[in-house]
Amino acid sequence: GENVEQHPSTLSVQEGDSAVIKCTYSDSASNYFPWYKQELGKGPQLIIDIRSNVGEKKDQRIAVTLNKTAKHFSLHITETQPEDSAVYFCAGAPLLAFSGGYNKLIFGAGTRLAVHP
Amino acid sequence: NAGVTQTPKFQVLKTGQSMTLQCAQDMNHNSMYWYRQDPGMGLRLIYYSASEGTTDKGEVPNGYNVSRLNKREFSLRLESAAPSQTSVYFCASSDGTGGLRSYTFGSGTRLTVV
Repeated sequence: GENVEQHPSTLSVQEGDSAVIKCTYSDSASNYFPWYKQELGKGPQLIIDIRSNVGEKKDQRIAVTLNKTAKHFSLHITETQPEDSAVYFCAGAPLLAFSGGYNKLIFGAGTRLAVHP
Repeated sequence: NAGVTQTPKFQVLKTGQSMTLQCAQDMNHNSMYWYRQDPGMGLRLIYYSASEGTTDKGEVPNGYNVSRLNKREFSLRLESAAPSQTSVYFCASSDGTGGLRSYTFGSGTRLTVV
């Protein structure tokens, strides 16, 4: 089955710096890679996702890159702000053929990002 | 829309007690999931329901049972709670039709077993 490893487990940056979180996956059949942000006391929320037919995707200060050959993908946050402080999770999922069509996400262990003013 | 609603938000159980965690979604999603979150281990899948009327085991199903009551509701039951089940539990849903979809999570249930 799929296994997703995430690094680093903690990351501390100064406001305005960039932050990069990296994930690797084991199942070459995986073709969907979302990233979630979890604020204290809340459930994870999707911030960006990428499909295997795309190498990079951007949304304002957030970008995700995917290297299918190496089986790794990364989250890049530029011009970090204190409100970016949270736990970030990557995940991978193979498309499973099923009558309704669904995907089972396997999550990385999470990265605690702290942005200091 | 409320999205995914979980109850209760907090619970303390004694070892051996039973309880049911409730989850309901109002987005007409087909698929629902139960995850547990432990420090340093991320989110691990306990059980999932690909569609109404079906349930399947995830990575860590031992000690749990589930019921997909209808399309909206998916409950998680601990028959005889153990300290190892102390965790934060998240319910999620997704609309699996048409291909890959992300999840919408509830706000979680923090369970302590003493």
